[in-house]
Amino acid sequence: KNEVEQSPQNLTAQEGEFITINCSYSVGISALHWLQQHPGGGIVSLFMLSSGKKKHGRLIATINIQEKHSSLHITASHPRDSAVYICAVKGAQKLVFGQGTRLTINP
Amino acid sequence: ETGVTQSPTHLIKTRGQQVTLRCSSQSGHNTVSWYQQALGQGPQFIFQYYREEENGRGNFPPRFSGLQFPNYSSELNVNALELDDSALYLCASSFGPGVDTQYFGPGTRLTVL
Repeated sequence: KNEVEQSPQNLTAQEGEFITINCSYSVGISALHWLQQHPGGGIVSLFMLSSGKKKHGRLIATINIQEKHSSLHITASHPRDSAVYICAVKGAQKLVFGQGTRLTINP
Repeated sequence: ETGVTQSPTHLIKTRGQQVTLRCSSQSGHNTVSWYQQALGQGPQFIFQYYREEENGRGNFPPRFSGLQFPNYSSELNVNALELDDSALYLCASSFGPGVDTQYFGPGTRLTVL
């Protein structure tokens, strides 16, 4: 079993829909990251959180430390949100990544 | 733009060859981590360098080696390339090994034929 599990692996939705991507982890962490990766490979950090909730524009990230679970929400989704979203947890030293969720938003 | 650059962007090699990938850290960052991302997978930690010393290693064989220079730029060397080494190689820099925020470069896509 992977230390970081994401669901779903693939998600296709229509423009405007509310999107939720989930991340569960099994190790102790100091922080959890949500990352966005566009075709071509570049990774952009969206959020880093260790408790509660953070919001940036149409993106919201939550984390429940007791349940070892985090969610990334996208409101009013847009085709430009299409990308791979990766959850990564920071342990003592290294980042451990989930396998990613490929999100496709159709116009 | 994170300020982290990698070169080359793409590279094609054949089995058995050796390759060197380069990473230039964001200014002021003394720690660099290297990751391998196979197609359709999340990145996997290869190793981390802090102040020119290896500071942790993932589950990769010794033919994966690295260097960090006094200006904190870094190299990833892979010897005796195998087909399974085909992947996107990402580097990420940070202010220190214990710092949570890492800044990723755009990656080098390596294809081994």
